[in-house]
Amino acid sequence: DTEVTQTPKHLVMGMTNKKSLKCEQHMGHRAMYWYKQKAKKPPELMFVYSYEKLSINESVPSRFSPECPNSSLLNLHLHALQPEDSALYLCASSQKNPGTLVEQFFGPGTRLTVL
Amino acid sequence: AQSVTQPDIHITVSEGASLELRCNYSYGATPYLFWYVQSPGQGLQLLLKYFSGDTLVQGIKGFEAEFKRSQSSFNLRKPSVHWSDAAEYFCAVAPLYNQGGKLIFGQGTELSVKP
Repeated sequence: DTEVTQTPKHLVMGMTNKKSLKCEQHMGHRAMYWYKQKAKKPPELMFVYSYEKLSINESVPSRFSPECPNSSLLNLHLHALQPEDSALYLCASSQKNPGTLVEQFFGPGTRLTVL
Repeated sequence: AQSVTQPDIHITVSEGASLELRCNYSYGATPYLFWYVQSPGQGLQLLLKYFSGDTLVQGIKGFEAEFKRSQSSFNLRKPSVHWSDAAEYFCAVAPLYNQGGKLIFGQGTELSVKP
């Protein structure tokens, strides 16, 4: 299995809702990532998990809360979002060898609309 | 600061014509280099990567890229473009000694293919 899956594909939520995005990989990768991508822009890194521990938080607002329950799963909990948070949310994973980096594999994304 | 420049925001080529997408990076040492492709509403797919060795790298879908250290460039090429190649293309770099898994993306080049 060489893919990263994300659910749901599309999500519409109000500003007072609480929702979660889910990402899963079964490639044995030990690094997982959340990106936010606005239209016609490159992905922006939000969080990096390494060996199930949060290693990078790119100063993301607390209304986004990541969670890595195990080595295959990555969640992004959403609460009290703003309309400007509407975007494509991408998950990625990669092998994790200390001191080196290999390519990241991306999921298809969740298209989030905040009303 | 590390940066990636894709000088062409939008390129249009005729089907069957050759293609070259430009990418220049700014970094103190040779980083890891990647090209990703993104179809509308989809995730990113890795086309090819350069870590070391032969400076001409072959990728999927008939793409290749050439690393030129003297020009700090990693241009993507394809000898004959197909209509299905229409997409957004991102060049990305990662530090040689992993800074937590960060990828630095260029702004992207949108490729249109005319019949």
